[in-house]
Amino acid sequence: QSVLTQPPSVSAAPGQKVTISCSGSSSDIGNNYVSWYQHLPGTAPKLLIYDNNKRPSGIPDRFSGSKSGTSATLGITGLQTGDEADYYCGIWDSDLRGVFGGGTKLTVL
Amino acid sequence: EVQLVQSGAEVKKSGESLKISCKGSGYTFTSYWIGWVRQMPGKGLEWMGIIFPSDSDTTYSPSFQGQVTISADRSISTAYLQWSSLKASDTAIYSCARLYCTRTSCYFDYWGQGTLVTVSS
Repeated sequence: QSVLTQPPSVSAAPGQKVTISCSGSSSDIGNNYVSWYQHLPGTAPKLLIYDNNKRPSGIPDRFSGSKSGTSATLGITGLQTGDEADYYCGIWDSDLRGVFGGGTKLTVL
Repeated sequence: EVQLVQSGAEVKKSGESLKISCKGSGYTFTSYWIGWVRQMPGKGLEWMGIIFPSDSDTTYSPSFQGQVTISADRSISTAYLQWSSLKASDTAIYSCARLYCTRTSCYFDYWGQGTLVTVSS
């Protein structure tokens, strides 16, 4: 059981918007930056968002991140069937100890 | 181009030892932490630990401390994850990833392709 709580699954239709939450506490999300990863089965996870809301080069602006207090949110707009994947939030504390959320399976209906 | 290339799939029996590898290229291997992540069948990602190849400084998740050993050989830009006595519950995909750290944050920016480890009892 991860200390970062994500909904097990979310779904939406193509073209719609979806948000995925990541809930923690003052000792994890509250005091550290959040990153988000997309994981398609059989492939390497991909960094989508770092430092709460920054996108690496090559990640489309359909993906966005935000953080408020002890929770973070990943938003995906203009959903595509290729976005079907598992999504994970993650944090690293000042001792470089990391933790991932439990993961959320996105289904594009 | 940054690449992390992992060793191939392994099939082992309970009680056997194993060492899998992760070779970095396209960047200065000794300047970044390398981490290991487990994904058990049907489960999520679990952070196992990290190593700084320059001096082999290592930090483990409490869940994996004493269960695995993370090491590195900086002369060949390779990190390792090893078990002295495998259990069936070690069956999983193990991925390495580069940990990019600034003064205020860290995140895994590049990932290996994963190594499937299957342990039969």
